[in-house]
Amino acid sequence: AQSVTQLDSQVPVFEEAPVELRCNYSSSVSVYLFWYVQYPNQGLQLLLKYLSGSTLVESINGFEAEFNKSQTSFHLRKPSVHISDTAEYFCAVRGVTGGFKTIFGAGTRLFVKA
Amino acid sequence: DTAVSQTPKYLVTQMGNDKSIKCEQNLGHDTMYWYKQDSKKFLKIMFSYNNKELIINETVPNRFSPKSPDKAHLNLHINSLELGDSAVYFCASSLGRGPNSPLHFGNGTRLTVT
Repeated sequence: AQSVTQLDSQVPVFEEAPVELRCNYSSSVSVYLFWYVQYPNQGLQLLLKYLSGSTLVESINGFEAEFNKSQTSFHLRKPSVHISDTAEYFCAVRGVTGGFKTIFGAGTRLFVKA
Repeated sequence: DTAVSQTPKYLVTQMGNDKSIKCEQNLGHDTMYWYKQDSKKFLKIMFSYNNKELIINETVPNRFSPKSPDKAHLNLHINSLELGDSAVYFCASSLGRGPNSPLHFGNGTRLTVT
């Protein structure tokens, strides 16, 4: 079985500051990793994913995440945040067995202050 | 042109009632899901259908019954509603069940049981 731990429930940060949202996973099989973003009163949207290959993956709006197998982590980073980045961020894992269920972490609320 | 649409958006009802939530996707996907998001934003998978066949059935009370008339629709019927059923229910879809199949979410149905 897989599990995901997001270490911070809330991360307040000032606009234009860098941010890192932490995610650790646990699995006995190979996994695929995702970050989803949820804006208020909306469903989740895929932000970026790691399937294989380069361990650093990027999104179109400046976020990046690095897969670290030895530390079982997939932290999300952005060098300079905007007010519009305020949202809930979910790390998710999907294993290669078990019906390919996508398991979500508890979420991290990123709050960007002016 | 909504990709995954759920109705209704809000549902307020009394304990003991029976209610249904409908979901439709126009993405041509063959796999659909129901997730429950509680008040702490935790997301838990409930059911998944692939080409109208039930493939994931988590530990959910049998008061919850999904129905998939075709691969573009997945409805959720809930009997004898309880206070603890209050949550946001998200429908999602994907193309296939493999790892390279991120989820596309609807905007959710906020169910309030009084």
